[in-house]
Amino acid sequence: DGGITQSPKYLFRKEGQNVTLSCEQNLNHDAMYWYRQDPGQGLRLIYYSQIVNDFQKGDIAEGYSVSREKKESFPLTVTSAQKNPTAFYLCASSGGQGQETQYFGPGTRLLVL
Amino acid sequence: AQSVTQPDIHITVSEGASLELRCNYSYGATPYLFWYVQSPGQGLQLLLKYFSGDTLVQGIKGFEAEFKRSQSSFNLRKPSVHWSDAAEYFCAETYNQGGKLIFGQGTELSVKP
Repeated sequence: DGGITQSPKYLFRKEGQNVTLSCEQNLNHDAMYWYRQDPGQGLRLIYYSQIVNDFQKGDIAEGYSVSREKKESFPLTVTSAQKNPTAFYLCASSGGQGQETQYFGPGTRLLVL
Repeated sequence: AQSVTQPDIHITVSEGASLELRCNYSYGATPYLFWYVQSPGQGLQLLLKYFSGDTLVQGIKGFEAEFKRSQSSFNLRKPSVHWSDAAEYFCAETYNQGGKLIFGQGTELSVKP
């Protein structure tokens, strides 16, 4: 089955710790995205990548970092600089190059201990 | 700045009743418009999309939406709601700016038996 997988489903972070959320897709999509979802605020774009080895900041990139070394993978690191990391994180991908429909993974919920 | 407005935060309808969820977008030119549905703790599932052509688009699960340029609206409708439709619904738009999606705040739908 083609799709997007995110792991883990739940992640706990201790103060001062960096944590990495995984996102993998086997849809052969060029573009990948990370969104943060907070209650009552919809989804906000953190980072996106339209092609391997290239990525751009979204609207709320501070305290986060990403890499795009492989087409199918777009991991997100929540650094200790992100002071309010508790949220639901969603990864998405799209074909890019005018194919703008984004498909979403099941999400990772990050909680602070 | 681009924005998407979903005026209703929460709607309750009776099972079997009709449903209309409102969405207004901000940009004057023709955007790409989407409706997604999210069950609690899950990712987003695409219901339907509008890129161009016929302004009435059909989606999955019996949903449809109508694009009205004069009203900058893209309202979602369903003639008869089922209990399983209870979820949160998000309207989104993009203008091919790297495929960045702008989301509305979401409308939570509750269904009364």
